[in-house]
Amino acid sequence: EDQVTQSPEALRLQEGESSSLNCSYTVSGLRGLFWYRQDPGKGPEFLFTLYSAGEEKEKERLKATLTKKESFLHITAPKPEDSATYLCAASGGSYIPTFGRGTSLIVHP
Amino acid sequence: EAGVTQSPTHLIKTRGQQATLRCSPISGHTSVYWYQQALGLGLQFLLWYDEGEERNRGNFPPRFSGRQFPNYSSELNVNALELEDSALYLCASPPERISSTDTQYFGPGTRLTVL
Repeated sequence: EDQVTQSPEALRLQEGESSSLNCSYTVSGLRGLFWYRQDPGKGPEFLFTLYSAGEEKEKERLKATLTKKESFLHITAPKPEDSATYLCAASGGSYIPTFGRGTSLIVHP
Repeated sequence: EAGVTQSPTHLIKTRGQQATLRCSPISGHTSVYWYQQALGLGLQFLLWYDEGEERNRGNFPPRFSGRQFPNYSSELNVNALELEDSALYLCASPPERISSTDTQYFGPGTRLTVL
């Protein structure tokens, strides 16, 4: 059974304080590892898809990396508007993404 | 092109009633996925429709059902509503008509409250 675990559950940062979110996955035949941002009461907003170990993608202050067992979402010099829940998902042979429970990020000014 | 749309935004029902939620995928795209996001839980896969047929189903009871119409829009029906059905229901669609990845773009969701 595919499993995705995210840590920490919650993270509080000061503006400008860089940090990383972790996503551990157990998926047979990884087809893609996905990161989303979700604001309260809204649908998830797509950020990145990673396909193979060693791949990295960047968007503004966010950088996602992938190993054979984990993915990290690095947030550099975060701003209060980066506050949201960040979701990780992985898709394998079933073609149905399995989602983690998310990391709730709060960035204080 | 228009993104994934869902209606209604909010829906309030009482226990035992039926709820109908609607979704339109990215224009011209054939796949629709439904997810349930209950408070404190991750997204749970409900149903996958493609080309008018149900392709896969998550671990939910039969009172959760749906269908896909010829224009690829979809309906999720929840019968005999229970309090624990209160959740945000999300619809998703791949970004390309024939997608080589499982990347999904989500709609804004329908907040279902069961009283």
